[in-house]
Amino acid sequence: EDQVTQSPEALRLQEGESSSLNCSYTVSGLRGLFWYRQDPGKGPEFLFTLYSAGEEKEKERLKATLTKKESFLHITAPKPEDSATYLCAVQLNTGNQFYFGTGTSLTVIP
Amino acid sequence: KAGVTQTPRYLIKTRGQQVTLSCSPISGHRSVSWYQQTPGQGLQFLFEYFSETQRNKGNFPGRFSGRQFSNSRSEMNVSTLELGDSALYLCASSRGFRYEQYFGPGTRLTVT
Repeated sequence: EDQVTQSPEALRLQEGESSSLNCSYTVSGLRGLFWYRQDPGKGPEFLFTLYSAGEEKEKERLKATLTKKESFLHITAPKPEDSATYLCAVQLNTGNQFYFGTGTSLTVIP
Repeated sequence: KAGVTQTPRYLIKTRGQQVTLSCSPISGHRSVSWYQQTPGQGLQFLFEYFSETQRNKGNFPGRFSGRQFSNSRSEMNVSTLELGDSALYLCASSRGFRYEQYFGPGTRLTVT
């Protein structure tokens, strides 16, 4: 069965304290892995797409990496405005369907 | 470029009623997907439409249905509402296979 698991469920960081979020997946055929950010009461906002193991993408304080079994979202020197829920999703190569993890709720304390 | 829009933003319905939600994708996007988001289950895929054809369907009962129009706008219908249907319903559009999805703000449905 195709599965996407994110850890930890919740993470509290001091401003400036770097950390990583994990997204592990078990799928029959991966087309791409996507990271989203979701603020309360809003729809998810697209961050990155990763297609192959070894690929890396960066945007401001965020860096996403991909291996054959998991993806990491590294947050360097986070700020309070980085507080949000971060979702990862996998797209299979059999269709346009996305499977989402349940997310990591990040709180950055000033 | 305008983003994905969803109407209405909030809705309160009574158990047993039916509801129709609307989604307008980003201009040029032909794929529209619908998701149900609840605190316990996260984002659950409902269905995906491309050029007016349903291409994929998630594991939801037949009470959940959708359609897509020739201008790519999409509607989702839920009949015989149950309390458990209370959720945030999200619409996402994309250019097609291998492209990222862009989400709308969602419709918050409350069933009483």
